Amino acid sequence: EAGVVQSPRYKIIEKKQPVAFWCNPISGHNTLYWYRQNLGQGPELLIRYENEEAVDDSQLPKDRFSAERLKGVDSTLKIQPAELGDSAVYLCASSLGQGSGGRTDTQYFGPGTRLTVL
Amino acid sequence: AQKVTQAQTEISVVEKEDVTLDCVYETRDTTYYLFWYKQPPSGELVFLIRRNSFDEQNEISGRYSWNFQKSTSSFNFTITASQVVDSAVYFCALGRYSSASKIIFGSGTRLSIRP
Repeated sequence: EAGVVQSPRYKIIEKKQPVAFWCNPISGHNTLYWYRQNLGQGPELLIRYENEEAVDDSQLPKDRFSAERLKGVDSTLKIQPAELGDSAVYLCASSLGQGSGGRTDTQYFGPGTRLTVL
Repeated sequence: AQKVTQAQTEISVVEKEDVTLDCVYETRDTTYYLFWYKQPPSGELVFLIRRNSFDEQNEISGRYSWNFQKSTSSFNFTITASQVVDSAVYFCALGRYSSASKIIFGSGTRLSIRP
């Protein structure tokens, strides 16, 4: 079974430029998560989708970050414009979601996109 | 508020030694989930284990074992006879027993196994 797929793996951009990350979750997983992981820290949730609905985006900096999950499968996370402090690894994860008894799902992670903003 | 503390920032041991990674958590929930993930140099977080708060039995999987002690709010992870391939950053995480599906990660412990 294929895992969570993310692209690109690495991205280097100059500040004020836009950037987008793509994620394809595990087949059949209804819940999709975007995390940001700063160097030497654990991942922090940016946004969580249940199917195509964003149900938790409280940590997403909405002035420059946006996300979408059209058709409830693939998802795209965008930053526009990027700032130096956005340099981090952006991780996508997925879990079964609805139907798992309402309990905290086990999340499965992709390899991440390492963003460097110069 | 929920919090996960991994006080050991880095650990280095010689191959074949046993090593224990500590995890202490804080939560006001009476039921919750605990997780361990491994992050090798490739960057992908690999799921290792999920434990319910109402199941305090220790678990062993090959060279890996987990000691869950609710009384001390700890969920420690031991690798027996460590190998170089065990070198990675290990994260402990805490999740609520609800539909929220939100988990909080600790800051991780970088484990280096020297040949």
